[in-house]
Amino acid sequence: EDQVTQSPEALRLQEGESSSLNCSYTVSGLRGLFWYRQDPGKGPEFLFTLYSAGEEKEKERLKATLTKKESFLHITAPKPEDSATYLCAVQEDHNAGNMLTFGGGTRLMVKP
Amino acid sequence: DAGVTQSPTHLIKTRGQQVTLRCSPKSGHDTVSWYQQALGQGPQFIFQYYEEEERQRGNFPDRFSGHQFPNYSSELNVNALLLGDSALYLCASSLMGNSGANVLTFGAGSRLTVL
Repeated sequence: EDQVTQSPEALRLQEGESSSLNCSYTVSGLRGLFWYRQDPGKGPEFLFTLYSAGEEKEKERLKATLTKKESFLHITAPKPEDSATYLCAVQEDHNAGNMLTFGGGTRLMVKP
Repeated sequence: DAGVTQSPTHLIKTRGQQVTLRCSPKSGHDTVSWYQQALGQGPQFIFQYYEEEERQRGNFPDRFSGHQFPNYSSELNVNALLLGDSALYLCASSLMGNSGANVLTFGAGSRLTVL
């Protein structure tokens, strides 16, 4: 059974204080690992898809990396508007459909 | 271009009642999935519809059922509501058939409160 664990559960940063969020996963075969951002009362918003170990993707202050067992979401010089819950999810390669298995999320708060 | 739209946005029911939630997928998408998100947790997969059939199902009881219409829109039905069914219900659409990983586009969700 696929498992996805995110840490920490909550993270409070000062504006400009860089940090990383962790996503550990267990799947029999990985089709893709996804990062989503979710604001309170809204649906998840797609950020990145990573396909294979060693891959990296960047978007503004966010950089996602992938190894065979975990992914990191690095946040460089965060701003208060980066405050949100960040969700990690995996899609398994033998899965004929598009089912995602999500972790519990990391709630990020960036204080000015 | 409208994304995924869900209705209603909020609703309150009492235990034992039945509820129907509705979803219109993003233009060009043919697959609809439903997820349940309890407060403070990640979304949990309920089921997925493609070509008007349930293709995959998560670990949810038969009280949860669904339907997909010819225009790709979908409904989620929950019977005999329990207090534990209180959650944000998310609809996600995607395009089936891609060989790679398929990105799901989520709606804003329907917040269900069971009293």
